[in-house]
Amino acid sequence: EAQVTQNPRYLITVTGKKLTVTCSQNMNHEYMSWYRQDPGLGLRQIYYSMNVEVTDKGDVPEGYKVSRKEKRNFPLILESPSPNQTSLYFCASSPLGGVAYEQYFGPGTRLTVT
Amino acid sequence: GESVGLHLPTLSVQEGDNSIINCAYSNSASDYFIWYKQESGKGPQFIIDIRSNMDKRQGQRVTVLLNKTVKHLSLQIAATQPGDSAVYFCAVALNTGFQKLVFGTGTRLLVSP
Repeated sequence: EAQVTQNPRYLITVTGKKLTVTCSQNMNHEYMSWYRQDPGLGLRQIYYSMNVEVTDKGDVPEGYKVSRKEKRNFPLILESPSPNQTSLYFCASSPLGGVAYEQYFGPGTRLTVT
Repeated sequence: GESVGLHLPTLSVQEGDNSIINCAYSNSASDYFIWYKQESGKGPQFIIDIRSNMDKRQGQRVTVLLNKTVKHLSLQIAATQPGDSAVYFCAVALNTGFQKLVFGTGTRLLVSP
């Protein structure tokens, strides 16, 4: 089954404790992206990757890092999480062409930073 | 940059009615427009898209209309069903490699039997 998976689905952590949210897709897609979703703000793009070793900032990249060492994986790293990063996070992927093609979204990771 | 807004945070309709969800965007250079549906507890799901060289596109029970003059986009759902209850987002991309997507804030569609 074609899908985007994220782990963990739920995470409660404390300020400053480094964490990684994993994202993996099995569709051989070149483009992958991370979004955060907050009430009243819709989805905002954090980082995206057009292919292996090619990443770039979205609209809200501060406090986040990403890497793309393999085509299927695109982890999101919070080096020193803060309470304002409490949010619902989605990973998405699409074929070459970026957002010009249908993006497939993962199920989401709900992160709480205390 | 680009900003995207939806006109109503909530839309309530009766089963069988037609629903219209509206969206406005700011950048006249926007080239690609998408509607997503998000059910509770799930990620957004692609519904339909349209490029700037078109003003209408139809899918199964859904139609997207694009008015570039007033920078307005709408999603029409025919014969709305309870299973259509969800939050609907429009999203807009610029034709700069289609790398970035800007989402609206979403309209919650409530369908009552």
